[in-house]
Amino acid sequence: GIQVEQSPPDLILQEGANSTLRCNFSDSVNNLQWFHQNPWGQLINLFYIPSGTKQNGRLSATTVATERYSLLYISSSQTTDSGVYFCAVETGGFKTIFGAGTRLFVKA
Amino acid sequence: DGGITQSPKYLFRKEGQNVTLSCEQNLNHDAMYWYRQDPGQGLRLIYYSQIVNDFQKGDIAEGYSVSREKKESFPLTVTSAQKNPTAFYLCASSIQVNQPQHFGDGTRLSIL
Repeated sequence: GIQVEQSPPDLILQEGANSTLRCNFSDSVNNLQWFHQNPWGQLINLFYIPSGTKQNGRLSATTVATERYSLLYISSSQTTDSGVYFCAVETGGFKTIFGAGTRLFVKA
Repeated sequence: DGGITQSPKYLFRKEGQNVTLSCEQNLNHDAMYWYRQDPGQGLRLIYYSQIVNDFQKGDIAEGYSVSREKKESFPLTVTSAQKNPTAFYLCASSIQVNQPQHFGDGTRLSIL
């Protein structure tokens, strides 16, 4: 089946720093989503981005479907950005496959 | 407010017991999903439903069962056949499959 790999697995930032998270996938997909899971376990949908670039405040995402990767950019990081960032892809059979996540800690 | 409600937040199961986790949405979404998350790992799909009275197995359906008799409800039963049920269970919904998914707050299931 399709493989979804996220990097880096762990990231520590000083507040105000910028970062780039990467998601690679091994086959064609119908769509790609980025989620943030806060320390209490709540999952928030950040982007639905099968291709192209989107921006939402300090966050932006780019998916290059032909090269099978997506990037999530976090600018001017804040302590509230801490948590786990997941990418998830949906396959032709409508199954959703999640990556293992990038664990981010932003220090004040 | 519109959203996805999961209950209970915490659930304890005795050996050999079946338990049912509730998931209700008032977003008028057609598609609903159940995921399992183990500590430090990503989410894995248990079952999904594209529409009322239809559901499909995900990657780890063994030991679980679901029903979709109403559009707004997608309960998950963890049966005694699931030998390692301790996990965080998350329910999600989307307008249709292949559309953005939105999640409930989850149920933490533990074995007594």
